[in-house]
Formats: sequence, C-alpha cells, structure tokens
Amino acid sequence: KNQVEQSPQSLIILEGKNCTLQCNYTVSPFSNLRWYKQDTGRGPVSLTIMTFSENTKSNGRYTATLDADTKQSSLHITASQLSDSASYICVVSGLNTDKLIFGTGTRLQVFP
Amino acid sequence: SQTIHQWPATLVQPVGSPLSLECTVEGTSNPNLYWYRQAAGRGLQLLFYSVGIGQISSEVPQNLSASRPQDRQFILSSKKLLLSDSGFYLCAWSTNTGELFFGEGSRLTVL
Repeated sequence: KNQVEQSPQSLIILEGKNCTLQCNYTVSPFSNLRWYKQDTGRGPVSLTIMTFSENTKSNGRYTATLDADTKQSSLHITASQLSDSASYICVVSGLNTDKLIFGTGTRLQVFP
Repeated sequence: SQTIHQWPATLVQPVGSPLSLECTVEGTSNPNLYWYRQAAGRGLQLLFYSVGIGQISSEVPQNLSASRPQDRQFILSSKKLLLSDSGFYLCAWSTNTGELFFGEGSRLTVL
C-alpha cells in the first residue's frame, strides 16, 4: 500500500534554531516528492519538488534532501523564524499516475 | 501570472442544507482542477478531479458532487449536508509538469 509517513508529528523550537523534519514513503515506482508549507487556515504552498535523480534542493532557508534508495526525505530549516510556524506536508507522486499521496504533516511551532 | 480564487472562506450551514463552494483559476487555460478535503490530523483527501469541461472523476463515494461548467471554474456541491461534511476544503490546479497550486481553502462547519 502506498503510504507517506512524517515525523515528528509536532515540533517546538526556539527562534534562530535549526530543525529537520522527516518523511518516509513506500510509494513505488516513485516519480517525485514535494514539500509544502501550510499556515493555519490557509492553503498549502509549495517549497520544493524533487525527482528521482535529485538528492538536494534548496529554497532560501529550506533545504530538502531525498534518498530514493531508502525512500526517505528530510526538510531542514535553518535559522528558524517565527513565520516558519506552520504545518509541513510531504507529498509523493508515483510514476505513470497523477495520484498524489499526502503525509499527515509535521506541525512546527517557533517561539521567540 | 496564474492565480486561484476559492470562496467562501468560511461557511456555517445547518444539517440538510445545500452547499456550493466555488473555485476559479486565472492566467492559464485547460488546467487540471482538484477538490481536496483536509480533516484534523489527517492528510489531504482527494475528492474530485477534472481534466476538462464536464469531465469529473470522483475518488471517494460521498455526499458531495462536483461540476466544471467552464474551463477555469470548479464547483463543489451538496444537496443535503451531513455533520460529517464539516472540514477544510481546498481547491487546487496543476500544471503540465504536475506541480500543484492550492487555493486559500474554505472552512465548512455543519451544525
């Protein structure tokens, strides 16, 4: 069964600290993996999209990594800011399908 | 540039009443359109998707229906709402590369 699991479920950090969010998936064959940021009560916004051949992709202070062999991805946030408080959702797409498998997200709270 | 508009942002409706959520996309033509529902603590659930006018695919049997009367308009409807229809509904569109763009969401509370 195609699944996407994220950890931790929630995370609290202090402003200025770094953090790493994890995403494990069982989707096969794999096409691409996306990370979205969703502010409370808003629609998700794309941070990165990575294909099978990409290992790392950055978007400002956000860096996503992908290990297609172990089916793992991480999202690293550097020098966190209060505005980083949001849910971060990992989404995986299988090959030859337009179906997306969504993780349940990691709820990040950044405190001053 | 492309934009997606979704309304209303919030809606409180009694059980048994009808529903209509609207979504329009600007700045692109023939987009793939989607309706998702997001429940607390759960991943987004695809409800309907459309690859063209009048073409609707349903992912989950439910009390809801969708229509696409125009190329860039997608409507989510119900004739009689249930308590279990409460949730956060998201409209989205995708490019030919598969990248997905979401609307701002509609919070539906059924009382």
